[in-house]
Amino acid sequence: KNQVEQSPQSLIILEGKNCTLQCNYTVSPFSNLRWYKQDTGRGPVSLTIMTFSENTKSNGRYTATLDADTKQSSLHITASQLSDSASYICVVSDRNDYKLSFGAGTTVTVRA
Amino acid sequence: DAGVIQSPRHEVTEMGQEVTLRCKPISGHNSLFWYRQTMMRGLELLIYFNNNVPIDDSGMPEDRFSAKMPNASFSTLKIQPSEPRDSAVYFCASSLLQGSGELFFGEGSRLTVL
Repeated sequence: KNQVEQSPQSLIILEGKNCTLQCNYTVSPFSNLRWYKQDTGRGPVSLTIMTFSENTKSNGRYTATLDADTKQSSLHITASQLSDSASYICVVSDRNDYKLSFGAGTTVTVRA
Repeated sequence: DAGVIQSPRHEVTEMGQEVTLRCKPISGHNSLFWYRQTMMRGLELLIYFNNNVPIDDSGMPEDRFSAKMPNASFSTLKIQPSEPRDSAVYFCASSLLQGSGELFFGEGSRLTVL
C-alpha cells in the first residue's frame, strides 16, 4: 500500500528561525512529489512539485529536496514569518498521476 | 482568475437530510477532483472527472454519495441521506492537464451533520 509519512507531527518555532520538515514515502512507481501549504480554514496551496530527476526546488523562502533513491523529501523554511503558521502536507503521485497519496501533515506554529 | 469556487462554505444539517455541495473549477481546466478531509483520515479522493466524465469513483464511500459534472464549469457532490459520520471538509480541486498536474483547491465546504 502506498504510504506517506511526515515528521514531526507539529512544531513551534520563533519568528526568524529556520525549520525543516520531513517526508518519507513508499509510493511506487513514483511520478512526482509535492508540498502543499494549508492555512487554517483554507484549501491547500501548492508550494513545489518535483519529479524523479529533480533534487531541489525553491519557492521563495521554501526549499524542497528530494532523494528518490531513499524515498525521502524535506521542506526547509528559511527565516520563518508569522504567516508561515500552517499545515504542510507532503503528497506523492504514482504513475496513475491522478491518485495522490497524502501525508497527514506537519503543523507549524511560528511565534513572535 | 477567481480560482476554484465552492459553495456553501459552511453547511449544518440534520441527519437524514440531503446535502448538495457545488464547485466551479478554473476555466479551461480539464480535470476535477472531489476530496474529503477529516482529522482522522486526512485528505481522501472521492471522485475524479476528466473532460466531464467520471474516471474513478472508487473513493465514494457509499451509495449515499453521488457526484455529477453536467458541464465543464460546474460539478456537484450530493449526500442523501446524510449521516453524522459524513461531517468533514469537502474540497473540490481542478487541474489543467489530465490527471493531477498542478492541483488547485477551492476553499472547501465544511459540513456538519447533527
